[in-house]
Amino acid sequence: RKEVEQDPGPFNVPEGATVAFNCTYSNSASQSFFWYRQDCRKEPKLLMSVYSSGNEDGRFTAQLNRASQYISLLIRDSKLSDSATYLCVVNANGTASKLTFGTGTRLQVTL
Amino acid sequence: GAGVSQSPSNKVTEKGKDVELRCDPISGHTALYWYRQSLGQGLEFLIYFQGNSAPDKSGLPSDRFSAERTGGSVSTLTIQRTQQEDSAVYLCASSVYNEQFFGPGTRLTVL
Repeated sequence: RKEVEQDPGPFNVPEGATVAFNCTYSNSASQSFFWYRQDCRKEPKLLMSVYSSGNEDGRFTAQLNRASQYISLLIRDSKLSDSATYLCVVNANGTASKLTFGTGTRLQVTL
Repeated sequence: GAGVSQSPSNKVTEKGKDVELRCDPISGHTALYWYRQSLGQGLEFLIYFQGNSAPDKSGLPSDRFSAERTGGSVSTLTIQRTQQEDSAVYLCASSVYNEQFFGPGTRLTVL
């Protein structure tokens, strides 16, 4: 089983739609969780951290379910500019800095 | 510059040649990572340096791959006797806490 698993997509949604991605992780000792965004042929960049209580940043909401070992990202009112690959990232070894990346979920927002 | 820089941005080489890829992390970042990403694929962890600790080399695909980090700053990834399957984008990232900042990558093409 992979340490971090994501549905590769692609998710094709119209502008204005709400879309949700899930990610599961295998190590119950994982401490930190993030969503990164990667545009085509660009490097990944941090989108948001995921906190136990859930957190929201504008149109983006991240949730963590420790019992089921999954993380979610909800994007409301999708924009064309949201088209990218979303990477789920987990501190898989309980060590502060070593992160494990999922293979990403591709989102395509269309007119 | 405030970000992670990598050089060269593109490298074309012939099968069997050695290549060196360079990464300049953000000043003060104690952790440095190398990943590679093949076209349309996820990030593949290669190696991780944390301060003065022994590097985590668990992701290096073969003994043709090696990396050094001198003085806790600049890192060089060396690939000996390159093969066509080594063609990918090689990404470097640095961090001081959990957020990783990525460089723009080196696109390696082995002919």
